[in-house]
Amino acid sequence: AQSVSQHNHHVILSEAASLELGCNYSYGGTVNLFWYVQYPGQHLQLLLKYFSGDPLVKGIKGFEAEFIKSKFSFNLRKPSVQWSDTAEYFCAVAYNTDKLIFGTGTRLQVFP
Amino acid sequence: KAGVTQTPRYLIKTRGQQVTLSCSPISGHRSVSWYQQTPGQGLQFLFEYFSETQRNKGNFPGRFSGRQFSNSRSEMNVSTLELGDSALYLCASSLELFFGEGSRLTVL
Repeated sequence: AQSVSQHNHHVILSEAASLELGCNYSYGGTVNLFWYVQYPGQHLQLLLKYFSGDPLVKGIKGFEAEFIKSKFSFNLRKPSVQWSDTAEYFCAVAYNTDKLIFGTGTRLQVFP
Repeated sequence: KAGVTQTPRYLIKTRGQQVTLSCSPISGHRSVSWYQQTPGQGLQFLFEYFSETQRNKGNFPGRFSGRQFSNSRSEMNVSTLELGDSALYLCASSLELFFGEGSRLTVL
């Protein structure tokens, strides 16, 4: 079955620390990959997406993600987090169709 | 460019009632998808409409239904509400999925 796994459920960091959130998906042919962020009390916002081309994707707010096809992974990174990055982060995969399958999310808390 | 608009933002219903939620996608976008977000189940796909046709459907019971109008606005309906239907219902516009702020449904 098609599935998306986010292994880190809750991550706590201090400001300026580096961030990497894991995302793995099950094999299913052509995939489009997404990372979304949901700030407290706000709606989902698209951070970045990968459809094809350069596997290193740069998004908004200094985030980037790398698509490693051989590992079925699409990990999210940020070199130096800020308190304002406190939010929940969702990885999502679209297999061949427009239907998105979401991971369970990772709650990130950044302390000053 | 206006974003995705969902109404109502909040509503409270009792078990057995039915509810209709509305979503207006970004102007010019013809695809609308609906998702249910709960603390326990996360984000789950409900259905997707394109040009008034349901193109995809998730694994939800028949109590959950939807439709799309010629102006791309979409509605979803949940009949015979159950406590477990309490959730944030999100609507998304286009393949890149610009999400609305959601309709938070509480079933008492």
